[in-house]
Amino acid sequence: GAVVSQHPSWVICKSGTSVKIECRSLDFQATTMFWYRQFPKQSLMLMATSNEGSKATYEQGVEKDKFLINHASLTLSTLTVTSAHPEDSSFYICSARQGISNQPQHFGDGTRLSIL
Amino acid sequence: GESVGLHLPTLSVQEGDNSIINCAYSNSASDYFIWYKQESGKGPQFIIDIRSNMDKRQGQRVTVLLNKTVKHLSLQIAATQPGDSAVYFCAEGQGYNKLIFGAGTRLAVHP
Repeated sequence: GAVVSQHPSWVICKSGTSVKIECRSLDFQATTMFWYRQFPKQSLMLMATSNEGSKATYEQGVEKDKFLINHASLTLSTLTVTSAHPEDSSFYICSARQGISNQPQHFGDGTRLSIL
Repeated sequence: GESVGLHLPTLSVQEGDNSIINCAYSNSASDYFIWYKQESGKGPQFIIDIRSNMDKRQGQRVTVLLNKTVKHLSLQIAATQPGDSAVYFCAEGQGYNKLIFGAGTRLAVHP
C-alpha cells in the first residue's frame, strides 16, 4: 500500500521550455503532497507543500512563478517548471501523505530533469 | 568505520554485522522523526518513524532510538545485508506536516 507514482522519470529538454511533472497517489487519497529538489550527493530540500484544492505554500527562496504547483484532486499534484534553464536541472521528488493522522509521507521515485 | 566524504559521510560495515547510523536534529520543538532509505536513482523509502513521547521503537531488523535531551536520533540495523546498502536520511517535523531532512549517511555493506 501507499504507492506514489511520478511521471516522467527522466526528461531532457531545451532551455526556455516548460516541463510538467506529475505525482499520483495510486492507492490512497493524499490531502497533502510535497515537492522536493535534490542535487547529487545532497539531501532533499523542500520546495513547497500542496494541499488539495488550495494554493501551495512555498518555502523561502523558491519562486512560485517559476515552479507552478497544482493539486486539483486527492490523487494528483503537478509541478511545472516554467521557462526552464540549465540551473533548474535537478532531481525532483514528490511525496504524498494520507489525509488521516499518523501516516508518514510516501515518496515517488523522482524525476530527473536535464535542461540543455 | 565512519568517514566524511565529499558530501556524504559513509559508514562501512561487514555483512552480518549490526549498523548504527546517527543523526543530530536541530529543532527542540520537533515531535516527529522518521528514517528513510534512498537507493541510487530512486525516491526515499520509509523505514521507521517515532514520536517524541517515545524513546525507542522497533521494526523488522531495525530499531530507532530517540534522545531528546541531546537531540539525537539513531537507526540500528541488525544483521546488515548487501541490500541494505543505500543512503539513509533522518528527518524531523512537527506533527505530520513538513519534514526537514538531515544530510544523509551512505551505508556500504561489504561481503
